[in-house]
Amino acid sequence: DAKTTQPNSMESNEEEPVHLPCNHSTISGTDYIHWYRQLPSQGPEYVIHGLTSNVNNRMASLAIAEDRKSSTLILHRATLRDAAVYYCILRDANAGNNRKLIWGLGTSLAVNP
Amino acid sequence: DTGVSQNPRHKITKRGQNVTFRCDPISEHNRLYWYRQTLGQGPEFLTYFQNEAQLEKSRLLSDRFSAERPKGSFSTLEIQRTEQGDSAMYLCASSLRGGQDTQYFGPGTRLTVL
Repeated sequence: DAKTTQPNSMESNEEEPVHLPCNHSTISGTDYIHWYRQLPSQGPEYVIHGLTSNVNNRMASLAIAEDRKSSTLILHRATLRDAAVYYCILRDANAGNNRKLIWGLGTSLAVNP
Repeated sequence: DTGVSQNPRHKITKRGQNVTFRCDPISEHNRLYWYRQTLGQGPEFLTYFQNEAQLEKSRLLSDRFSAERPKGSFSTLEIQRTEQGDSAMYLCASSLRGGQDTQYFGPGTRLTVL
């Protein structure tokens, strides 16, 4: 699986938007971009995924660069409950039986009241 | 849908003892994964089942580790002769074959080896 690069940490204020960047310059044409997050003392949870077009769901939006070498997870209004480690992961759609997720260190997001 | 459950949530054991963890996936999910996570690191893949078949094992899974999913439902992860380096959070996830195979995680079992 191709590698991703994320900032170690970011900080935001409550009720403000947060843009979490991810670089994946070696992404292949069949790699989907997935985001998971892990709240303190909990297992990871799925946030969103996309291939080429921007995606929205109830949790967040995913903006994907035209060349697909970077993406941004957008939390429109951060709450204290969004304080977590956010992981950007690439998954090959042609992985066959290779189903594992390969995790980096992620971005630790702090939200200030 | 009650989500993925793991038991126990915490386990403290002495070095050299054997431990076993259980994971109950979401009922209709046919894929099940085990990951290990140490403090400050992202999860590391250990092994993956599709139904009862173990399809992939990480090199991290030494011969002291064994995982089973006998009827394609719940899974167990056993660690024999535990070492202090085995102290970690053990995470289980499940997914439904097809689509983007989104993985749903349990709360984890925290193992402390004294």
